Amino acid sequence: QQQVRQSSQSLTVWEGETAILNCSYENSAFDYFPWYQQFPGEGPALLIAIRSVSDKKEDGRFTIFFNKREKNLSLHIKDSQPGDSATYFCAASGPSHDSGYNKLTFGKGTVLLVSP
Amino acid sequence: AQTIHQWPVAEIKAVGSPLSLGCTIKGKSSPNLYWYWQATGGTLQQLFYSITVGQVESVVQLNLSASRPKDDQFILSTEKLLLSHSGFYLCAWRDWGDDTQYFGPGTRLLVL
Repeated sequence: QQQVRQSSQSLTVWEGETAILNCSYENSAFDYFPWYQQFPGEGPALLIAIRSVSDKKEDGRFTIFFNKREKNLSLHIKDSQPGDSATYFCAASGPSHDSGYNKLTFGKGTVLLVSP
Repeated sequence: AQTIHQWPVAEIKAVGSPLSLGCTIKGKSSPNLYWYWQATGGTLQQLFYSITVGQVESVVQLNLSASRPKDDQFILSTEKLLLSHSGFYLCAWRDWGDDTQYFGPGTRLLVL
């Protein structure tokens, strides 16, 4: 059973458009949802994250919209640039506690291509 | 600022040969440490985690082992590599009280 699901394997948008990447999850106990950006040959880098008590988190051109009832979230990238072309992973963990385990479950990733 | 270093950057090894990959965190005391494996074009799978020196827990069995000989060091190893071990190995750290995991640059492994 796939705990975190990203609906698109790949997405192509034109430069300047808003890219929307979707993610859904199964486990109601998940309460922390980071998005990671990964360029080829590099480790994933945290882009933006949201907790389940919020329905929106914004950081510059990146916004997460979160729907707890529907168990889904989306990452919006405004004014997409060719430099945003990368693989984006939705991940989830929880419930939050300091046991050290903190299992982070990843989706399969969405490859975003921004065409100039 | 914290820095995370992984070595080697890349390895080509023969099936059946031993392997040792390393990870070092600088600028952070007593972090939680994690090993992940990523197939080419695939998702990330957590392999091991460690909350303190000498203590390592396995999440997934892949004929690999891990050790934490020092507070800032995490080692991934096996005595006998399989073809299926090929992929990208990532080390990550987390601070107590913070849910965010921060990843290192990774080690690319090709087993032939």
